[in-house]
Amino acid sequence: AQKVTQAQTEISVVEKEDVTLDCVYETRDTTYYLFWYKQPPSGELVFLIRRNSFDEQNEISGRYSWNFQKSTSSFNFTITASQVVDSAVYFCALKRRSEKLVFGKGTKLTVNP
Amino acid sequence: NAGVTQTPKFRVLKTGQSMTLLCAQDMNHEYMYWYRQDPGMGLRLIHYSVGEGTTAKGEVPDGYNVSRLKKQNFLLGLESAAPSQTSVYFCASSSSGQSNEKLFFGSGTQLSVL
Repeated sequence: AQKVTQAQTEISVVEKEDVTLDCVYETRDTTYYLFWYKQPPSGELVFLIRRNSFDEQNEISGRYSWNFQKSTSSFNFTITASQVVDSAVYFCALKRRSEKLVFGKGTKLTVNP
Repeated sequence: NAGVTQTPKFRVLKTGQSMTLLCAQDMNHEYMYWYRQDPGMGLRLIHYSVGEGTTAKGEVPDGYNVSRLKKQNFLLGLESAAPSQTSVYFCASSSSGQSNEKLFFGSGTQLSVL
């Protein structure tokens, strides 16, 4: 079975702080994909990033960065210099070849001014 | 850019009533999905479709039915609504079922069953 754990239910930070959202996954497959989605207060989930299991290179996109470590089965997401607009629920998700996408329970991030 | 459109956005039902949620996508995607989102539970897959005329059960299919008569539309039906079906429902689509495919989501339908 595949499983995604986002242990942090809610995080609250002050603007300009850095924040890391944790994601730990379980799968026996060697080929799989990991995703992060953002759900702002408007409700619609928006794709942020995907990473395949053979690519452990970290990725940076502006203030966002992702750290993929197969050794610890983690795919953590860091926001640098957080802004109020980053306030949202963030979901980590896992997909194996023949299975449907499985989501974690989400982490609600609140960035206070 | 419409993308994935869900109607209605809000609905209140009484126990035992029926209703249909409509999802429409204009991206010519083959795959469509219905999820429900509940506090502390994340998103759970109800039903999905891999193409026009096909449907399949997801993780929590009981109490729901679906139809995909046209490629662009995916309907979710509740025949006899129950309070346990109070939730936010999301439709999503993807061009294929490949592992690396990202999903495009609608803005959700908030359903309350009294």
